[in-house]
Parts: sequence; structure tokens; C-alpha cells
Amino acid sequence: GQQLNQSPQSMFIQEGEDVSMNCTSSSIFNTWLWYKQEPGEGPVLLIALYKAGELTSNGRLTAQFGITRKDSFLNISASIPSDVGIYFCAGQLGEAAGNKLTFGGGTRVLVKP
Amino acid sequence: EAGVAQSPRYKIIEKRQSVAFWCNPISGHATLYWYQQILGQGPKLLIQFQNNGVVDDSQLPKDRFSAERLKGVDSTLKIQPAKLEDSAVYLCASTLAGSNEQFFGPGTRLTVL
Repeated sequence: GQQLNQSPQSMFIQEGEDVSMNCTSSSIFNTWLWYKQEPGEGPVLLIALYKAGELTSNGRLTAQFGITRKDSFLNISASIPSDVGIYFCAGQLGEAAGNKLTFGGGTRVLVKP
Repeated sequence: EAGVAQSPRYKIIEKRQSVAFWCNPISGHATLYWYQQILGQGPKLLIQFQNNGVVDDSQLPKDRFSAERLKGVDSTLKIQPAKLEDSAVYLCASTLAGSNEQFFGPGTRLTVL
């Protein structure tokens, strides 16, 4: 089956830093999505990307849909403590496949002590 | 607008016991998904319903897992009998028909001892 590899698996942030994470797939997707999950909650959609090469921003978040349709990255600019959480990429093939989501393993963002 | 509701939030059982989880999707959402999220991993789709019909249950371990959505609204996921490896968070998500944005509930954390 399809697999999504996210890196890094975890990272420490210091307030004000820019951070980035990426996701690669063994096969293509028609839509890439980025979710954030906090403890005890379900994932919440941050950004959705629908076209190869698309670059989309949502506040301090910027994500891109790779040209090959097999990868995506997420940047967080000027990080703040509430950015802590687990970020998941997810790929979708589309309505014909039931809009099923395939998730990556997540990038855990932690605050530097 | 109320979100996706799930209950219970936590459940601890012994192996070989049975357990059931309940999900009430967002009003009007025709599509409902159940995901299993093992600690440290991304969610994995178990089953997808469109109204009261099953769209995809290819990843559901049918020897022990069952799910139903009899009236096309709320849904129940059952495990019988549970195994140690079933310890996970079980997430329910819903979406409007034809939409690709899934809204997740807070999940039920299951611990099998």
C-alpha cells in the first residue's frame, strides 16, 4: 500500500525560529493536506493543496505541493509556544477513492528547554 | 456548530473482552470514517461509510472488528475479542458528501491489558 514518510520525526523549536518539515510518498496523490494534533484531540486541518507546484499560506504556515505529486513540505515561520504538537501530512487520491486519507507518521514539535 | 462527538473518551479492558465505541458525526455529514491511531503513528483508516452503506472496509480486521451505521447518522465500532495490539486511539471523522475536508472527533483511547 501507499506509504508516506515524514521527516524529521521530532524537532525542538525556540520561539521566533522558522521550522520546516516534509513528507514524501512512494506514489502520487491528487491532494496533499497538513494536520495538527494536540494531546487528547483529533487532527485539525491546517492547509490543503490541490495542484502540483501550488504554494499556499495560512497565517504563519506555508505549504507546497511538490511538482512530482509525491512530496510536500510545511514551513512554520516565527514559531511560538502554541505551535507545539504533532504535525501530520496526508495524501488523498480523490472522490473516486472515497477521499480516503493516507497519513504520514507525524513530526512531533517540542519546545527547547 | 457542534463537532464530531465520541464516547467514551477512555476505556481500559482486559484481553479477550469486548468493547464498543460510539460516534456522532457533524449534522448533515453523509460520510463517516473510523481510524485507528497507534501511539507514535499516524491514523490508519479502518472503515468508511456513505450514509448507512460501507464504502471501504478493506483495512478492517473483520475477524474481531465490526462497525455499523444503521440509520446513516451515528455509528458504533466494536472489538470482540480484544487483543493487546488493539491498544490505540480510535478516531471518528465525518465529511459532507463530495467534500474532501474531514472533521475529526477527540477519539477514544483504548488500553488492553
